[in-house]
Amino acid sequence: VQLVESGGGVVQPGRSLNLSCAASGFTFSRSGMHWVRQAPGKGLEWVAVISHDGNEKFYGDSVKGRITISRDNSKNTLFLEMNSLRSDDTAVYYCARDLWDPPDYIPESWGQGTLVTVSA
Amino acid sequence: YALTQPLSVSVALGQTARITCEGNNIGSKNVYWCRQRPGQAPVLFMYREINRPSGDPERFSGSKSGNTATLTITRAQAGDEADYYCHVWDSSTVVFGGGTKVTVL
Repeated sequence: VQLVESGGGVVQPGRSLNLSCAASGFTFSRSGMHWVRQAPGKGLEWVAVISHDGNEKFYGDSVKGRITISRDNSKNTLFLEMNSLRSDDTAVYYCARDLWDPPDYIPESWGQGTLVTVSA
Repeated sequence: YALTQPLSVSVALGQTARITCEGNNIGSKNVYWCRQRPGQAPVLFMYREINRPSGDPERFSGSKSGNTATLTITRAQAGDEADYYCHVWDSSTVVFGGGTKVTVL
């Protein structure tokens, strides 16, 4: 399993940013996928999950309404669209493959993350 | 839903460490544990409290009852130093505990 996140960087408050996660080494179209973030020096915060076919999406309370998770199974790629960014969105964003342990959605295999810094 | 973990746990080399994870009626949920070594991404290594992905040492065990889940590390080694996070799936969200930093003395 290999997951490579990209798209991080420095962005001004209120702006938008799109993250990508390129997947390989497994059947992407059969796996649910997560985004999890970690602010500098802090713990893990779950962001969102999308089912294998994109029909189910769930979001964490702190990002609901500002973030959209999506996927392109033809390109083995996961996306995270982030809008109205705030300073407290500053974090390393990890994508992770789902464990497949129904009915639970749980991150299993993680990428190395991409850093998003929200700063003027 | 919230999960509470101690900020830190210290254990002598070769001894046993226990990390608790408290949450309302957590005994009725599936509990998962991941480990994050410094500068690395997290790794899931305990799911449904007792199962471990192949290749993990059997020094790690999990249990749960009532409002507390516990991760036990026996014969602690220097390589066990890391942050440990419990988590559950609740109300269509993944809830992480705040994490426990394990130090091996």
